[in-house]
Amino acid sequence: NAGVTQTPKFQVLKTGQSMTLQCAQDMNHNSMYWYRQDPGMGLRLIYYSASEGTTDKGEVPNGYNVSRLNKREFSLRLESAAPSQTSVYFCASSERFDQPQHFGDGTRLSIL
Amino acid sequence: EDQVTQSPEALRLQEGESSSLNCSYTVSGLRGLFWYRQDPGKGPEFLFTLYSAGEEKEKERLKATLTKKESFLHITAPKPEDSATYLCAVQGGSSNTGKLIFGQGTTLQVKP
Repeated sequence: NAGVTQTPKFQVLKTGQSMTLQCAQDMNHNSMYWYRQDPGMGLRLIYYSASEGTTDKGEVPNGYNVSRLNKREFSLRLESAAPSQTSVYFCASSERFDQPQHFGDGTRLSIL
Repeated sequence: EDQVTQSPEALRLQEGESSSLNCSYTVSGLRGLFWYRQDPGKGPEFLFTLYSAGEEKEKERLKATLTKKESFLHITAPKPEDSATYLCAVQGGSSNTGKLIFGQGTTLQVKP
């Protein structure tokens, strides 16, 4: 009963490097989301995908791109990592946009 | 602008000592208010959704209530395993994206 699976769990990058965070859900949910969580800032939406084939910007999209690969998978890409992107990244999914979101356990990303 | 404020930031209770956590919100047309529990190193775990003022939901020692301006999470006779950070989030009526606005959370510690 996996739910939402995120890989990797931890990653350290150097400034300017690129990487892709992976997310997969096995609940047949239509909507998927990427958040970042920073101390004192709470969870903030980066990008979301209301349904397969669509993506749109959230509150803090700068420096990120996303791909909704299929109904199960939604990836987040950092093209040129910056120290300000050091954070914990959470992927979530929901059956529809107005239903509760279910979260993965996060990717802890440090950029030096 | 949609906003969520949680209080207190931190709460220490003795086992069996009941208390309440507060979530105050401003949103243009509440579509839903969500409570989550987050354990260290884990993603938020969904607890409750409340949709309209006067609504209440219960789960074990937890009871969530909703008014037009705030929500309370009442914890009755807490146990050490209730220790966690509790997050409140709202979805506004203008959002057909699933976008949630999160508060910064209340960290609860229950001592035996």
